[in-house]
Amino acid sequence: NAGVMQNPRHLVRRRGQEARLRCSPMKGHSHVYWYRQLPEEGLKFMVYLQKENIIDESGMPKERFSAEFPKEGPSILRIQQVVRGDSAAYFCASSRRTSSSYEQYFGPGTRLTVT
Amino acid sequence: KQEVTQIPAALSVPEGENLVLNCSFTDSAIYNLQWFRQDPGKGLTSLLLIQSSQREQTSGRLNASLDKSSGRSTLYIAASQPGDSATYLCAVNGGATNKLIFGTGTLLAVQP
Repeated sequence: NAGVMQNPRHLVRRRGQEARLRCSPMKGHSHVYWYRQLPEEGLKFMVYLQKENIIDESGMPKERFSAEFPKEGPSILRIQQVVRGDSAAYFCASSRRTSSSYEQYFGPGTRLTVT
Repeated sequence: KQEVTQIPAALSVPEGENLVLNCSFTDSAIYNLQWFRQDPGKGLTSLLLIQSSQREQTSGRLNASLDKSSGRSTLYIAASQPGDSATYLCAVNGGATNKLIFGTGTLLAVQP
């Protein structure tokens, strides 16, 4: 059973370009979470999605950032008009609701560098 | 607002020692708590998950305890090995929307 897949692993964008980060959850998982780890800072929650629904986006910056998890295909985190401050590691996690656990499993991350 | 703190921030021990990492959180209304390890430049590996109704979980040389009322969790690593060197993160799940609030991490170095 493959783990959480993220691609690309490394992404370089110039200021003003768009960045698209993809996340395929583990098989059987229908909940996806995105977290960001800025240099020298801890991991911060961004958004929680279920298929075709955004459940909690309280950690998303108000502008330029959006996320989706369509019925088919991977979850996408989209950053428009990137700035240097967007340079960070972006991690995706997934979980499957069981009777008692929402244990989250993390992908390897996408490291975004904005030049 | 939930805040999660880990002490110490960094720890260096000789191989073979038993050690304890600490995690504290300000809001005791949690659903569960997870311990992770993160290797440099890599993702997070889930080590242990403790439900709010549980007091401890064990996996191999790792034992995690939870005292919800006092807002504390500890991760005990027995007979440490150089391969245990990594950053250890604890994260609490408040349950409302499952978002994890992460601690600041403990950077562990086990010297051979």
